[in-house]
Amino acid sequence: AQTVTQSQPEMSVQEAETVTLSCTYDTSENNYYLFWYKQPPSRQMILVIRQEAYKQQNATENRFSVNFQKAAKSFSLKISDSQLGDTAMYFCALTDRDDKIIFGKGTRLHILP
Amino acid sequence: DARVTQTPRHKVTEMGQEVTMRCQPILGHNTVFWYRQTMMQGLELLAYFRNRAPLDDSGMPKDRFSAEMPDATLATLKIQPSEPRDSAVYFCASGFGTVYEQYFGPGTRLTVT
Repeated sequence: AQTVTQSQPEMSVQEAETVTLSCTYDTSENNYYLFWYKQPPSRQMILVIRQEAYKQQNATENRFSVNFQKAAKSFSLKISDSQLGDTAMYFCALTDRDDKIIFGKGTRLHILP
Repeated sequence: DARVTQTPRHKVTEMGQEVTMRCQPILGHNTVFWYRQTMMQGLELLAYFRNRAPLDDSGMPKDRFSAEMPDATLATLKIQPSEPRDSAVYFCASGFGTVYEQYFGPGTRLTVT
């Protein structure tokens, strides 16, 4: 069965610092997608970044980038120059063979002024 | 600005009552997902539809939950009878074609007393 594990329940960093959120996953599929979603206090789920497993190049979206290590089944999110608005719950997610998305338990990130 | 809408945003009801949550997917999207979010279980997929046909509802308690898409612009999730353990935030998400890009609604916060 596919699983997604986020080992950091909560993290805090100072504004403008760089922070990395960890995610490991397990799947027997060769082709799959990985995602990072952000859920701010407003509760809205927002797609931050998406990685296709067959692409070796790490995805980047402005200040957000991933470190995708396919062999290690690792998919970490790096947030550069963190801002107060980055305070949120972050979910790592994986598509499974049945075309569904499986979410990790989340990492609560606090950006401190 | 196309977005998924959900009604109601908040619902407080007594145990045993019927609850109906509604979702309007983004126009043109043909895939709709229902998720439930709780502190203990995180985000769980309850059901999903493609072209209004249910593809998977294995995550849904069948005895009390039902999900339908009466037309392409409306998805409903019903709980009858509701129980306190159903208290959660229920999200609807829509996409086109596959799960690779989902847009979430703002959620319905349900409290069953």
